[in-house]
Amino acid sequence: DGGITQSPKYLFRKEGQNVTLSCEQNLNHDAMYWYRQDPGQGLRLIYYSQIVNDFQKGDIAEGYSVSREKKESFPLTVTSAQKNPTAFYLCASTGQGGGWQFFGPGTRLTVL
Amino acid sequence: QKEVEQNSGPLSVPEGAIASLNCTYSDRGSQSFFWYRQYSGKSPELIMSIYSNGDKEDGRFTAQLNKASQYVSLLIRDSQPSDSATYLCAVNDYGGSQGNLIFGKGTKLSVKP
Repeated sequence: DGGITQSPKYLFRKEGQNVTLSCEQNLNHDAMYWYRQDPGQGLRLIYYSQIVNDFQKGDIAEGYSVSREKKESFPLTVTSAQKNPTAFYLCASTGQGGGWQFFGPGTRLTVL
Repeated sequence: QKEVEQNSGPLSVPEGAIASLNCTYSDRGSQSFFWYRQYSGKSPELIMSIYSNGDKEDGRFTAQLNKASQYVSLLIRDSQPSDSATYLCAVNDYGGSQGNLIFGKGTKLSVKP
């Protein structure tokens, strides 16, 4: 079955640690996205990539980094520079030409 | 700043009633409109898309679009407790990168048995 997998489902980070969230899709989609969702808030775009080896900052990129070495994979690193990283992180993808976005199940990150 | 506005709710309706969810958007050039349903603790799932003025029906769901008023709505007929969720309105980022969407903050719907 085609879809997006995100791992881990839950992640706990200590102060000062970098952590990496995995996102893999087998939908053959070109574009991939990372969003952050805080309670009672909408989705805020962190980074997006429309093609392999290229990515763009979204609205809240500070303290985050990404890579896009393969079409299927778009990992997100939450660095120690992100001062308030506790949130629900969602990865999404969309096919050629855009349109609706398909979401993975999400990773809930908590800072201890 | 491009915006998508939704009433945060909660919107409470009795079982069997019609739930009406509304969304306005700021960019007049927007062309694609989507409604997502998000259960608590889960990721959003697409339930409706609409691209032309008028109504689009899919089962108990009807999306309505009025580009002149920059308004899109979602009607849920015969509401069920299982419809209780947060509904996110999304609009394509016209003038931005192709494929990017702008999301509203969502309306929380509660259907009471």
